[in-house]
Amino acid sequence: EIVLTQSPGTLSLSPGDRATLSCRASQSVASTSLAWYQQKPGQAPRLLIYGASTRATGIPDRFSGSGSGTDFILTISKLEPEDFAVYYCQHYGSSVVFGQGTKLEIK
Amino acid sequence: QVQIVQSGAEVKKPGASVKISCKASGYSFSNFAIHWVRQAPGQRLEWMGGIYVGNGNTRYSEKFQGRLIINRDTPATTAYMDLSSLTSEDTAVYFCARAVRAFDETNPASDYWGQGTLLTVSS
Repeated sequence: EIVLTQSPGTLSLSPGDRATLSCRASQSVASTSLAWYQQKPGQAPRLLIYGASTRATGIPDRFSGSGSGTDFILTISKLEPEDFAVYYCQHYGSSVVFGQGTKLEIK
Repeated sequence: QVQIVQSGAEVKKPGASVKISCKASGYSFSNFAIHWVRQAPGQRLEWMGGIYVGNGNTRYSEKFQGRLIINRDTPATTAYMDLSSLTSEDTAVYFCARAVRAFDETNPASDYWGQGTLLTVSS
């Protein structure tokens, strides 16, 4: 089974900063099979990106996804106060797995 | 507008079963898959399985094979998750979610989510 490892575990930044979150797969995966979610405490996850780089409906263009093979990146170009949350990557193929999450906190 | 509404919190004893419902509205129910994801306290998200509503095809995580059944009532636009042989390790919030892509049986990337159902398993 593919394992997704996200880094860093916690990222401390300020509003207006650029955030770069990493998701590394234990083996090469299809780019079409990688998604990113945002989750705030007590809420359901919110789909941000699927197919590695396609923004879901209604997602601001400050969120972008990139990568291929084993290394994928979620970039938030200019952090807004509402962006501070936990972010998960998800791979779907023969199995479906999530990474352990990156907590984006206010510095 | 798309809405997904789940049934309420459950408390079960070890060894029991639970059935959680997921009522969808605002879109063509048959054209999308519904996936179930759970999250134990302080833990990562965990995909359990999914059903493509149009033909009823299901897919389950190996972890839950044999004790998880996902089905749907198309006229009622409701999906169900039935989990048996509960243990304390099944204590979690359970989410259902609609797949983002229509006519896609396997891609579990999901854009509309229910509010979550807290299941507590305790003797």
